Amino acid sequence: DQQVKQNSPSLSVQEGRISILNCDYTNSMFDYFLWYKKYPAEGPTFLISISSIKDKNEDGRFTVFLNKSAKHLSLHIVPSQPGDSAVYVCAADSNTGNQFYFGTGTSLTVIP
Amino acid sequence: GAGVSQSPSNKVTEKGKDVELRCDPISGHTALYWYRQSLGQGLEFLIYFQGNSAPDKSGLPSDRFSAERTGGSVSTLTIQRTQQEDSAVYLCASSPQGAGSYEQYFGPGTRLTVT
Repeated sequence: DQQVKQNSPSLSVQEGRISILNCDYTNSMFDYFLWYKKYPAEGPTFLISISSIKDKNEDGRFTVFLNKSAKHLSLHIVPSQPGDSAVYVCAADSNTGNQFYFGTGTSLTVIP
Repeated sequence: GAGVSQSPSNKVTEKGKDVELRCDPISGHTALYWYRQSLGQGLEFLIYFQGNSAPDKSGLPSDRFSAERTGGSVSTLTIQRTQQEDSAVYLCASSPQGAGSYEQYFGPGTRLTVT
C-alpha cells in the first residue's frame, strides 16, 4: 500500500521556467516531509524538508508547499536549470521519527 | 570527506542462496538505515540502527532478513534462502543524529538479482 504517491512519472520544463513537482500522501499522522534528488545509479540526496507546523519552506530556488487538509505537498523550482534534471523523490516521516515512506519519484527534464 | 559506501555494487545469486550486503556509513554518523528499492516501487524502509541497536525492525519483510551493526559503524544486511522477489536495489543511509534527524546521506546501493 503506497502511502506516499507521486502520480506524475515525468515532467519536462523549459530552462528558466518554474518546475512544479507534486506529491500526495494518505497517512494523516505524517508530520515531516522531505524531497530528495536522485541521479541514476546514485542514492538520493536530501534537498529540502518541511514540518507539518509550516505550510511553506524556501531554500534558494527551491520552495516546498504543504497543504495538510489536502494531504498534498509540492516542490517548486524557479528558475529551472538544466542541472536540475534528475528524479525527485518525495518522502514522509511517521510520527516515530525513524521510518520513512517514499514516493516512486518524478523524473524532471529541464530543456535548455 | 568519504560518503556512504556499499558493497558489492552488484550481486547475482541463485535462488535459495544466502547473501550479505555491506554498508559503511559516514564516520561519526550514529544512525543507519536500510531501504529496498524494487522496480516501480518507492523506497521501502527495512530497518534502522541507532548505534549498534535496532529499535525498529518492523520493516524487515520476513525472517529471512536480518541485519547487524558493529562498533557503531559497518552494517551487514543478510538475506537467507533468497527468493526472486528479493531482487531489488538495497540502499543504505546514515545520519549524524538519532531518530528525528531527517538529513540522510545515501550510499549508491547494491543491485541484487536473484535468478
